[in-house]
Amino acid sequence: ILNVEQSPQSLHVQEGDSTNFTCSFPSSNFYALHWYRWETAKSPEALFVMTLNGDEKKKGRISATLNTKEGYSYLYIKGSQPEDSATYLCAFTGGANNLFFGTGTRLTVIP
Amino acid sequence: EAQVTQNPRYLITVTGKKLTVTCSQNMNHEYMSWYRQDPGLGLRQIYYSMNVEVTDKGDVPEGYKVSRKEKRNFPLILESPSPNQTSLYFCASSSLTSGLYNEQFFGPGTRLTVL
Repeated sequence: ILNVEQSPQSLHVQEGDSTNFTCSFPSSNFYALHWYRWETAKSPEALFVMTLNGDEKKKGRISATLNTKEGYSYLYIKGSQPEDSATYLCAFTGGANNLFFGTGTRLTVIP
Repeated sequence: EAQVTQNPRYLITVTGKKLTVTCSQNMNHEYMSWYRQDPGLGLRQIYYSMNVEVTDKGDVPEGYKVSRKEKRNFPLILESPSPNQTSLYFCASSSLTSGLYNEQFFGPGTRLTVL
């Protein structure tokens, strides 16, 4: 079992604020890092899959960066909106065929 | 519509009564996987399959079985359910065309309670 850690566990921000959270993973045997968005009572939906050190991906107001040498990824949300409220999950895969998920960061955006 | 379906969505059963949760995808994905979600823990992988007749254990396979006889279906079997298998279960699939690590598409989840 590989250790994937996410911080913070939960976060409340005001509408319009920008925010970011962290995913830490083992830096050896890196293969890919996934980010998913999981709204209450729904299924997780993919945001990004990153495979290269230095990767930066963007989808609308959400972006992510990847540092495989030190074993972390940041997810950024610019100008948070209430509809961004969700749990954000990262998952690491290290060359085997299985994924290891973190416990998620629960974001609440207050109108 | 591209989707992953699971049935049933909710199930309450008793200890020891065999059950199967079905999972089907219509995207011709090679990779399929089962996860369980418990409070305070991340999604934990139970079993996965790289293709038809190819299955392997994930993190927490004890008490579960799977089969992959057809590409679209990946049922999860609990031969003798116990209360510690009460959980929210997700099936997921992904393509292997660009390498192993494309995004996973998740089913709607099955909430299982074992009394």
